[in-house]
Amino acid sequence: EVQLLESGGGLAQPGGSLRLSCAASRFTFSSYAMSWVRQAPGKGLEWVSTLGVSGVDTYYADSVRGRFTISRDNSKNTLYLQLNSLRAEDTAVYYCSKDDSTGSHFEYWGQGTLVTVSS
Amino acid sequence: QLVLTQSPSASASLGASVKLTCTLSSGHSSYAIAWHQLQPQKGPRYLMRLNNDGSHYKGDGIPDRFSGSSSGAERYLTISSLQSEDEAEYYCQAWATGTRVFGGGTKLTVL
Repeated sequence: EVQLLESGGGLAQPGGSLRLSCAASRFTFSSYAMSWVRQAPGKGLEWVSTLGVSGVDTYYADSVRGRFTISRDNSKNTLYLQLNSLRAEDTAVYYCSKDDSTGSHFEYWGQGTLVTVSS
Repeated sequence: QLVLTQSPSASASLGASVKLTCTLSSGHSSYAIAWHQLQPQKGPRYLMRLNNDGSHYKGDGIPDRFSGSSSGAERYLTISSLQSEDEAEYYCQAWATGTRVFGGGTKLTVL
């Protein structure tokens, strides 16, 4: 079965940075678009970013555009999310997900990694 | 603008059935959606893709108790023979070029 394992979460100060990683296994990582989704405390799921197969097509939610950068290393089967200029409202559990073959919806999910932004 | 609307909460008794609703915004009634389940202390789980004609394609291992249907701009998730582990948040999700959208989620309580 598909496995997605996030890491890199933790405590960061406002204005600080973190890099999240998602190690993927048991599928051909290079053949699928990948995404990040988050859930802030007491809130619903929020799409953050999607990266196409080639690594060139990138899409971001308005709330993170210009501050977060999604990338992938197909040789390492790993997806990344660089979080810069962090704000308190970025505090959330961040989930990695594998898109379906049409690139329309999230087909498999990781367990998530918690990012807390606080001074 | 693509917007999905869900009722914040629903409840039903153990062993009963429940039908959750996701409403697509005006101009988007032909869109397909996906349903996802978020159980406490667990990562989300993809349940199914639901097309506007009611055809649906479930994720790996999703029980037959979960089914989907459509009517106009409304997309439904029906869970029959409710079990305690079905108590969770349920989110609908749609997509358009360059964006993905979630509904606000419905918290299902199994009584």
